[in-house]
Amino acid sequence: EIVLTQSPGTLSLSPGDRATLSCRASQTVSDIFLAWYQQRGGQAPRLLIYGASSRATGIPDRFSGSGSGTDFTLTISRLEPEDFAVYYCQQYGSSPWTFGQGTKVQIK
Amino acid sequence: EVQLVESGGGLVQPGGSLRLSCAASGFTFGSYAMSWVRQAPGKGLEWVSIISGSGVTIYYADYVQGRFTFSRDNSKTTLYLQMNSLRAEDTAIYYCAKGYRGGLWEPYDYWGQGTLVTVSS
Repeated sequence: EIVLTQSPGTLSLSPGDRATLSCRASQTVSDIFLAWYQQRGGQAPRLLIYGASSRATGIPDRFSGSGSGTDFTLTISRLEPEDFAVYYCQQYGSSPWTFGQGTKVQIK
Repeated sequence: EVQLVESGGGLVQPGGSLRLSCAASGFTFGSYAMSWVRQAPGKGLEWVSIISGSGVTIYYADYVQGRFTFSRDNSKTTLYLQMNSLRAEDTAIYYCAKGYRGGLWEPYDYWGQGTLVTVSS
């Protein structure tokens, strides 16, 4: 099983700040099988990034993904009020499919 | 418009059974793999199971293997998750989710609103 470890657990930032979220895998993940999701309070998750760096339909370009192998990053270039949420990475290239434990981006 | 609507959640005693449904619309249902993902109260996302578009291939997480059965009826565009021998640790919101481009090895581009399962005496 590929274990995904996200850091930090919580990120306290202000609107307009840059957010950098990390996702580290216990084994190599082919970079086409790594996704990022956003979950706002009480809502279902929303796909942001797939294939490590491709934005999903309708996702603003302030969201970007990068990385390969075992280290992946989600960057939000300038935080908007609606971006304060929990973010999860997921690998979908091997069974069992797994998620990271999440990073909460909160207002400082 | 893609819609996924889960139902069937509720309160059940430990050892009991429950069947969840997920009614899908707005896409060619039989062409897409579908999954169940759960989220315990205040916790993160946890993958449960996936089924191919044809229903032939199914994978389960170890913690539900042998207790949960995932199936689909493509004529009714509906998914089913039969949950037996339920445990307190199965308490969670259960989401159904659609694979992005149809295959098993895809991210999830649409999610339902979830249905809450509570296992408690």
